[in-house]
Amino acid sequence: KNEVEQSPQNLTAQEGEFITINCSYSVGISALHWLQQHPGGGIVSLFMLSSGKKKHGRLIATINIQEKHSSLHITASHPRDSAVYICAVRGSQGNLIFGKGTKLSVKP
Amino acid sequence: DADVTQTPRNRITKTGKRIMLECSQTKGHDRMYWYRQDPGLGLQLIYYSFDVKDINKGEISDGYSVSRQAQAKFSLSLESAIPNQTALYFCATSEGPQETQYFGPGTRLLVL
Repeated sequence: KNEVEQSPQNLTAQEGEFITINCSYSVGISALHWLQQHPGGGIVSLFMLSSGKKKHGRLIATINIQEKHSSLHITASHPRDSAVYICAVRGSQGNLIFGKGTKLSVKP
Repeated sequence: DADVTQTPRNRITKTGKRIMLECSQTKGHDRMYWYRQDPGLGLQLIYYSFDVKDINKGEISDGYSVSRQAQAKFSLSLESAIPNQTALYFCATSEGPQETQYFGPGTRLLVL
């Protein structure tokens, strides 16, 4: 069983829809990261959180430490949000453990 | 200019050849990382370095070696490339162990 599981693997949405991507993990962590990988391959960090909720523009990330679960929400989705979204957790050794990613496609 | 750069961006090589992928950063970070990404799999850590004198193996270091020539430069070498090393390779940096990692644009490597 992978230590970091994301769902869904693929997601297609219509422009304007509210989107949720989920991440569950099985190890103790000190922080959880959400990353965005653009179609060209580049990766950018969206959020790093260890508790509660963070918001940046139309993106919201939440984490429930007790349930070992995090969600990434996108409000009013837009075709430019189309990307692969990757969840990663920082384990006890300090290194990141990555999920396989969720491929999001937003249609106009 | 990008804070983390990788060269080359694309490389095709043949089985058995030695190749080097280079990473440079202008962020002044001590920590640097090399990852590989395969289709359908998460990023996997190859090697990481906490400073110029500190190099550590990651999950999948076999077949790879690294050199930290300076704080700003971290190179990954494939001593004798094999086809299953075909992948997308990323370099990343961070200021500290609990800090955000900043990724380079990636190098697409094809080993024939």
